[in-house]
Amino acid sequence: DAGITQSPRHKVTETGTPVTLRCHQTENHRYMYWYRQDPGHGLRLIHYSYGVKDTDKGEVSDGYSVSRSKTEDFLLTLESATSSQTSVYFCAIRGGSNQPQHFGDGTRLSIL
Amino acid sequence: RKEVEQDPGPFNVPEGATVAFNCTYSNSASQSFFWYRQDCRKEPKLLMSVYSSGNEDGRFTAQLNRASQYISLLIRDSKLSDSATYLCAVTSVEYDYKLSFGAGTTVTVRA
Repeated sequence: DAGITQSPRHKVTETGTPVTLRCHQTENHRYMYWYRQDPGHGLRLIHYSYGVKDTDKGEVSDGYSVSRSKTEDFLLTLESATSSQTSVYFCAIRGGSNQPQHFGDGTRLSIL
Repeated sequence: RKEVEQDPGPFNVPEGATVAFNCTYSNSASQSFFWYRQDCRKEPKLLMSVYSSGNEDGRFTAQLNRASQYISLLIRDSKLSDSATYLCAVTSVEYDYKLSFGAGTTVTVRA
């Protein structure tokens, strides 16, 4: 299995609180991604990174920010969590062109 | 139109049967193609890449039809353990950084 670790695996928090999810890889891959997956929507790209300090928005980036200060870590932050952000969040990594993505185990986030 | 579309199913098949389903993509410049398997409440896992000439991996066969812009997955001799959701994923030349995923096709194999 690809060396990807997501933390925390589960989190319950309240509306309005900040939340940070971490993705850590040991593969030294250039590309990293954050997705959310909800029933009826499939996987939706939130943000991605193509190198240290190089990030860009995906299709559902509103309400989320990311940072990548090291190759191995990609952080996803919900500045002020809302109930609509209750979801399963997956991190993925990719080595390069024409390569598949490999996913972490996911983080189940519930915002009450 | 969505970039990648799949028949959601479900495909309910008996053990030992053959099941096949397609995934259509809208961008003719699409470059790379993959099938993923996702079990309930788990992460997607790469099942196989799809090559231009088609390829097999055990009981699984993937095909690419560039003219009609679809990829297919065929599962022979279905096992109970094949029950899952199968996601197709596509990259394009213009957006090489990004995989576009279909919403998935659910397969249920019954005893």
